[in-house]
Amino acid sequence: SQQGEEDPQALSIQEGENATMNCSYKTSINNLQWYRQNSGRGLVHLILIRSNEREKHSGRLRVTLDTSKKSSSLLITASRAADTASYFCATDSSYNTDKLIFGTGTRLQVFP
Amino acid sequence: EAQVTQNPRYLITVTGKKLTVTCSQNMNHEYMSWYRQDPGLGLRQIYYSMNVEVTDKGDVPEGYKVSRKEKRNFPLILESPSPNQTSLYFCASSPSGGAYEQYFGPGTRLTVT
Repeated sequence: SQQGEEDPQALSIQEGENATMNCSYKTSINNLQWYRQNSGRGLVHLILIRSNEREKHSGRLRVTLDTSKKSSSLLITASRAADTASYFCATDSSYNTDKLIFGTGTRLQVFP
Repeated sequence: EAQVTQNPRYLITVTGKKLTVTCSQNMNHEYMSWYRQDPGLGLRQIYYSMNVEVTDKGDVPEGYKVSRKEKRNFPLILESPSPNQTSLYFCASSPSGGAYEQYFGPGTRLTVT
């Protein structure tokens, strides 16, 4: 079952612009995580936001969570070519915190 | 260095020939899991383990087996691989379950002909 769905599927921007990716999910959660994947490599954790938090920052990353809409967004400010990667959201479920369900991802291309 | 290792990294095999993909972590994590990644489908969880001798099915467990005899190792076994199991496989670990940051291995690209 797919819990998280990212939007858009693909995004192309110029260096210096901001990139916004959205994630929607279906069931109640305890936390939501964002990961980055460089072409075919292992995923790298970016940020975790808990269900009682609304916003979280880490460097150039800003994550928001709206549990009433069951959605989250990841904003990358002042993007760089090195930010080119696929970005995935992942959620647990308030019914089963043992499982982590990933979305289908947003592929971000940042042109120099 | 804290890491999750997988072996082999690349494997081409034939239908029906049993294979094992190993996964090992050196962070003393309780939780380990296996995912497969296919184009357009994202990552789908195959099996996970909350602790030694405790394993449970993920979303796509058919055709796979796992075991957790030691805390650090979590091998993925394909008893009779089929072409629809051609995929990119990732092992991951975390201190405890899905509520924590997952540490991923580098991936194993499997082709079944």
